[in-house]
Amino acid sequence: AQSVTQPDIHITVSEGASLELRCNYSYGATPYLFWYVQSPGQGLQLLLKYFSGDTLVQGIKGFEAEFKRSQSSFNLRKPSVHWSDAAEYFCAATLEGGSEKLVFGKGTKLTVNP
Amino acid sequence: DAMVIQNPRYQVTQFGKPVTLSCSQTLNHNVMYWYQQKSSQAPKLLFHYYDKDFNNEADTPDNFQSRRPNTSFCFLDIRSPGLGDAAMYLCATSRRDRSDTQYFGPGTRLTVL
Repeated sequence: AQSVTQPDIHITVSEGASLELRCNYSYGATPYLFWYVQSPGQGLQLLLKYFSGDTLVQGIKGFEAEFKRSQSSFNLRKPSVHWSDAAEYFCAATLEGGSEKLVFGKGTKLTVNP
Repeated sequence: DAMVIQNPRYQVTQFGKPVTLSCSQTLNHNVMYWYQQKSSQAPKLLFHYYDKDFNNEADTPDNFQSRRPNTSFCFLDIRSPGLGDAAMYLCATSRRDRSDTQYFGPGTRLTVL
């Protein structure tokens, strides 16, 4: 079955430290990939997406993600975390063509220490 | 700014009392979705509309219904809310189909007393 896995339920980093959130997918073909961020009590905001082309994708708020086909991964990175980045992060995937729904990972909660 | 709007942001209802949540969009997108998100979980798709074509997920309870009177508006009706229906309800839209980028509203937090 198609699935998206975020291995880390909760990550804590210090402000100014670098960040990497992991995402792995299991699909028969290369899916479209997304990262969303959700602040407490808010909706989901799109950070970035990968459809095809350059495997390093730049997003908003200084985030980037790298697609690695050989590892079935789409990890999210930020070189220097700010306290306002504390939130829940969801990786999601779907297939081209629109017949498949968006599948979410279970999310990674990010805590930022001062 | 084009956006997805949900009203109300917080809704309190009583056990068994019908409730309607509202979503509107200024993006002129063809597809509108309703998701249920319980605490510390990923969003779960309830159903979606492609234009006026309604698509229900197989595991969505009959208690949940939806209406889309026009392109801009979509409603979620919960006919007899139970305590287990307390959750955040998220509306999303996409331009073309389910593989297209989905844009989410701020959500409605539903409390059932």
